[in-house]
Amino acid sequence: EAGVTQSPRYAVLQEGQAVSFWCDPISGHDTLYWYQQPRDQGPQLLVYFRDEAVIDNSQLPSDRFSAVRPKGTNSTLKIQSAKQGDTATYLCASSLGTISNERLFFGHGTKLSVL
Amino acid sequence: GDQVEQSPSALSLHEGTGSALRCNFTTTMRAVQWFRKNSRGSLINLFYLASGTKENGRLKSAFDSKERYSTLHIRDAQLEDSGTYFCAAEARTGGYKVVFGSGTRLLVSP
Repeated sequence: EAGVTQSPRYAVLQEGQAVSFWCDPISGHDTLYWYQQPRDQGPQLLVYFRDEAVIDNSQLPSDRFSAVRPKGTNSTLKIQSAKQGDTATYLCASSLGTISNERLFFGHGTKLSVL
Repeated sequence: GDQVEQSPSALSLHEGTGSALRCNFTTTMRAVQWFRKNSRGSLINLFYLASGTKENGRLKSAFDSKERYSTLHIRDAQLEDSGTYFCAAEARTGGYKVVFGSGTRLLVSP
């Protein structure tokens, strides 16, 4: 079974530049999560989807961050104008999204450095 | 909001010894997962529990939703167990929101 695929693996930007991260979840997984993990901290939820619908994006900095999952499969997370404080690993995870099992499977992540 | 408090933040063990990591929850959680961050930085799922205990080799996890905590016990620690461990809990109220603890950095030494 293919796992969660993310690209790119690494990104280095100057402040003010834009970047997009792409995630392909495990086939059949209805729920998709984007987490931000600063160095030496736990993952912090940014946004999650059930199919194509955003369920919770309350932690997503809406002025610069956006996330879509138009067909309920792949997802894109975009930072419009990156800041140094955005330096972190961005993790995508997916799950079956059932009451009985919300086990998360993670991709390798995209390590972002904003200079 | 939903809070997951993980402790200790760092732990040093000698080979062959054991200890426990703990996560306390400020609200009722539906399930808990434990992850280990591997050498490539990927989060590997160790356990998923909706209740009770599970054991896998030298690792054992317990989850008590009513008492709002979960534990991860490591026995006979080996050098390769070194790494960062995270708990993540699924809120009982609303959707499938999964919130992480801040992690425990484990170092196993000879």
